[in-house]
Amino acid sequence: QVHLVQSGEEVKKPGDSVKVSCKASGYLFISYYIFWVRQAPGQGLEWMGVINPINGRTNYAQNFQGRVTLTGDTSKTTVYMELSSLTSEDSAIYYCARGIYYYDSSGDNLYYFDFWGQGSLVSVSS
Amino acid sequence: QSVLTQPPSVSGAPGQRVTISCTGSSSNIGAYDVHWFQQLQRTGPKLLIYANANRPSGVPDRFSGSKSGTSASLAITGLQADDEAEYFCQSYDSGLSGYVFGTGTKVTVL
Repeated sequence: QVHLVQSGEEVKKPGDSVKVSCKASGYLFISYYIFWVRQAPGQGLEWMGVINPINGRTNYAQNFQGRVTLTGDTSKTTVYMELSSLTSEDSAIYYCARGIYYYDSSGDNLYYFDFWGQGSLVSVSS
Repeated sequence: QSVLTQPPSVSGAPGQRVTISCTGSSSNIGAYDVHWFQQLQRTGPKLLIYANANRPSGVPDRFSGSKSGTSASLAITGLQADDEAEYFCQSYDSGLSGYVFGTGTKVTVL
């Protein structure tokens, strides 16, 4: 079955960068986009970006443009999310999720998220 | 930060029916499908409903979704103790050119 297993907890200082991994198994890795979503304490979920594992093409949410980088390694069936210039507001649980491509009722080609990783806690504190 | 609005909490006795609303605007729910997720304590979200009203394989038919205009709803019938969780709605927003989520609703089984 499908599994997305993420790397462990990270503790960082303001100004640092963090790199979180998401290892996929149980399906053909290159056939599905991987999305990243974060959840700050007491907050809702926030979409960060998406990567196409087959060619590495990415699309980032406006709030994270210039600070987030998604990369993939097809040999390891793993996707990485790197976030730079960390502040305390970046303390959150970071999730990867597999995207299912479908035709939305609007007629657009969009994605919904069918499997999620277990989450990676990132804490930023001086 | 969340674009879609949900009630912070709903509760019901075992066996009862509860509904969770998700309110958006013409740039998100009014134009695009809504998906629903269940999040148990300290786990990744689980897909419950996709494209407004469809259940993935393995999700009980006690869970149902609907959409009308700029709002959507998730209904849980025959409420059970292990339905206690946080529930999120999600859609796409054309103004933000990205995926947006609801504020989340905590369901408590009395």
